[in-house]
Amino acid sequence: DTAVSQTPKYLVTQMGNDKSIKCEQNLGHDTMYWYKQDSKKFLKIMFSYNNKELIINETVPNRFSPKSPDKAHLNLHINSLELGDSAVYFCASSQSGNQSPQHFGDGTRLSIL
Amino acid sequence: QQQVKQSPQSLIVQKGGISIINCAYENTAFDYFPWYQQFPGKGPALLIAIRPDVSEKKEGRFTISFNKSAKQFSLHIMDSQPGDSATYFCAPGGGDSNYQLIWGAGTKLIIKP
Repeated sequence: DTAVSQTPKYLVTQMGNDKSIKCEQNLGHDTMYWYKQDSKKFLKIMFSYNNKELIINETVPNRFSPKSPDKAHLNLHINSLELGDSAVYFCASSQSGNQSPQHFGDGTRLSIL
Repeated sequence: QQQVKQSPQSLIVQKGGISIINCAYENTAFDYFPWYQQFPGKGPALLIAIRPDVSEKKEGRFTISFNKSAKQFSLHIMDSQPGDSATYFCAPGGGDSNYQLIWGAGTKLIIKP
């Protein structure tokens, strides 16, 4: 029944490793997003895809690469993890249109040792 | 033009009191004004939203007040309950923002029993 699901929920890894976070939505939405939330709860948009096409690509290191195999999935791959990457990463989805509410997953807490 | 200022940063209210959170924006092209609620360990979820053609919208104990000329909108929580304790975000968008919501910094609300 989960509308937007992310895996894994927790990710603990060493600096320098490569990791991926997966996201799937079953709401039939055509737009998906990745956000980063830091320890002060500030939400920052990273990427957005509409119908598998990248439409928002904020200033993030190119170590972060999103991939959208289809409209229901948006994965995030991170290379050469750094201490500053520690945060909670949220996936969200919405229907096309600026006035559509965004539906969020429960987040992936990434901790870099 | 994209800046959003949310205040206060944190708020403590007694049970039964009124909680008020404010959001000021700069982009006059925005035409969608939502508030999101986030509980610990969860993603933000849409609480209530307003369009610019009305000045107020009420849903149960939650009310949005919108002042177009002042470029501000606020969230009022009447009869605040401990279960309302959460972080609240304003996230105006629409217009030419390409599906993007511009997120406030969040307000941590604590309702004391």
